[in-house]
Amino acid sequence: DTGVSQDPRHKITKRGQNVTFRCDPISEHNRLYWYRQTLGQGPEFLTYFQNEAQLEKSRLLSDRFSAERPKGSFSTLEIQRTEQGDSAMYLCASSLSAAGGYEQYFGPGTRLTVT
Amino acid sequence: AQSVTQLGSHVSVSEGALVLLRCNYSSSVPPYLFWYVQYPNQGLQLLLKYTSAATLVKGINGFEAEFKKSETSFHLTKPSAHMSDAAEYFCAVSDRAAGNKLTFGGGTRVLVKP
Repeated sequence: DTGVSQDPRHKITKRGQNVTFRCDPISEHNRLYWYRQTLGQGPEFLTYFQNEAQLEKSRLLSDRFSAERPKGSFSTLEIQRTEQGDSAMYLCASSLSAAGGYEQYFGPGTRLTVT
Repeated sequence: AQSVTQLGSHVSVSEGALVLLRCNYSSSVPPYLFWYVQYPNQGLQLLLKYTSAATLVKGINGFEAEFKKSETSFHLTKPSAHMSDAAEYFCAVSDRAAGNKLTFGGGTRVLVKP
């Protein structure tokens, strides 16, 4: 069990540029979640996948945001035309889907700074 | 809609003293509840979870939490604080009707004084 990994760990970009983040979940986990955490706040849900299907998107996820999980393994989160308000920590988590409230395991996060 | 309220954004305790972090939740269905810890510039690590079994839940690093339905609370305690407990702590509720997505409280930052 190598845990959830995210790449890159840090990204600095200029306003208006596009950025893409990658998340590799724990291998047997079929659910994958994206959250955003701004300074001094708790994480906020963005979207989640079960296998390759994106089942829910938060209203926080504007049209500039898109997420994919093409083969039900790793996932990417792309932000187009970045704005300064996009600066945050982007967290990925994975879990097993079950009725039993399986916990989510979090990656180390990608910290985005938009200048 | 679900929500979580953590009372106190900062808590300062002396090494060896009791740690008490408060969490109240709102949920339309019986909740699953979690406590996570976050160290600077890192992701979240699960401390413990409540999934409708025993109401007193023991977790890692000597932490425990008690689910009280009548008070809609899930407070986190540790009898004796250690310097390594300095971190931010988040309480979360799981939306069982929506893929178990988590709703987090605002967090409580714990400072441990020697």
